[in-house]
Amino acid sequence: AQRVTQPEKLLSVFKGAPVELKCNYSYSGSPELFWYVQYSRQRLQLLLRHISRESIKGFTADLNKGETSFHLKKPFAQEEDSAMYYCALSVFSGGYNKLIFGAGTRLAVHP
Amino acid sequence: DTAVSQTPKYLVTQMGNDKSIKCEQNLGHDTMYWYKQDSKKFLKIMFSYNNKELIINETVPNRFSPKSPDKAHLNLHINSLELGDSAVYFCASSQGTGTDTQYFGPGTRLTVL
Repeated sequence: AQRVTQPEKLLSVFKGAPVELKCNYSYSGSPELFWYVQYSRQRLQLLLRHISRESIKGFTADLNKGETSFHLKKPFAQEEDSAMYYCALSVFSGGYNKLIFGAGTRLAVHP
Repeated sequence: DTAVSQTPKYLVTQMGNDKSIKCEQNLGHDTMYWYKQDSKKFLKIMFSYNNKELIINETVPNRFSPKSPDKAHLNLHINSLELGDSAVYFCASSQGTGTDTQYFGPGTRLTVL
């Protein structure tokens, strides 16, 4: 079955602390993974995708096929990182790709 | 310049009513989507259209009927609304049907009383 699991509903850290938002997936095909973010009162937007291997706003994520994980990391959290983060998996179904989202993790960064 | 817009932003209605939500994108994208976000913030795809053609139709009650008059618009009509339909509905668009970045609208919060 195709599934994305984000085990933490809420991750609460202090400013300057390292952050790791966990994401595990289940998919028999070749995975393409994304992190989307929703800041307060803003729309959901792409943060990064594994294929581009970029660092966006200090965040990185590495695809680990052996552990079927795509954890999002940042060495030093900032208050403006507080948001809802969704891990998403693109699956090929019926001739088209569709995104399957995890349940989301709310990151709260305290001063 | 709003890329993906939805109307209305809020919709409060009684059980049994019929309502529509409209979505428009000015990005020139070929593909549009409807997602439902439930009270636990879980986001799930409902439908997808590519160039006005329905390409993804998840297990959604047939009370929900999407319509795409042109590739810039995707509307969602819901008949005989039920309490369980209360959710935030997001429209999104992408250039193609592959793994292109999806651009989301602001969401429509539907409350069924």
